[in-house]
Amino acid sequence: KQEVTQIPAALSVPEGENLVLNCSFTDSAIYNLQWFRQDPGKGLTSLLLIQSSQREQTSGRLNASLDKSSGRSTLYIAASQPGDSATYLCAVKTRDSGAGSYQLTFGKGTKLSVIP
Amino acid sequence: NAGVTQTPKFQVLKTGQSMTLQCAQDMNHEYMSWYRQDPGMGLRLIHYSVGAGITDQGEVPNGYNVSRSTTEDFPLRLLSAAPSQTSVYFCASSYRSPGLAGSYEQYFGPGTRLTVT
Repeated sequence: KQEVTQIPAALSVPEGENLVLNCSFTDSAIYNLQWFRQDPGKGLTSLLLIQSSQREQTSGRLNASLDKSSGRSTLYIAASQPGDSATYLCAVKTRDSGAGSYQLTFGKGTKLSVIP
Repeated sequence: NAGVTQTPKFQVLKTGQSMTLQCAQDMNHEYMSWYRQDPGMGLRLIHYSVGAGITDQGEVPNGYNVSRSTTEDFPLRLLSAAPSQTSVYFCASSYRSPGLAGSYEQYFGPGTRLTVT
């Protein structure tokens, strides 16, 4: 069974700092890995999707990397801003043997606070 | 293009009551799923569907029923609500590519906050 772990559970940084969020998974046979942002009381917003054949994806100040063989992904946020404060979730998509489809397994998230 | 919509946004039920959480998407996605999110537990898959007429169980299916009569809609039914079903429920959808299964991005609805007293 796929398990996804995110470390740290919470992180507080001063504005302007660069930071890295970590995600690890136990089964390397994944289709893709997706990073989400969740603001308090809101739904999930997709940030970046990395296919299993890719090493990294970039969007603005965000860069996500994937090392499938070691079961790790990182989300790098450059020049953090107070508006980046949110919970960041990673999720991996793996094959589901039941219906011949796939399932998305989530980590429990890293709660980021960027202090002005 | 509204994306994934969920109704209601908030609901309070008494133990034993039944209700249906609605989910709809207008992106012609084959794959739809329901998750619940609880503090300290993360998001857990309840049920999913790979197309109209096809559903399957996820990690925590007990106490919930689903059906998929159309591509657009995927309602979640609580048969007899229990306090343990107090949670935030999210519906999600994506394409299901037969060639590169599972490659596509998941889109989430805004969630339904359910309280069972």
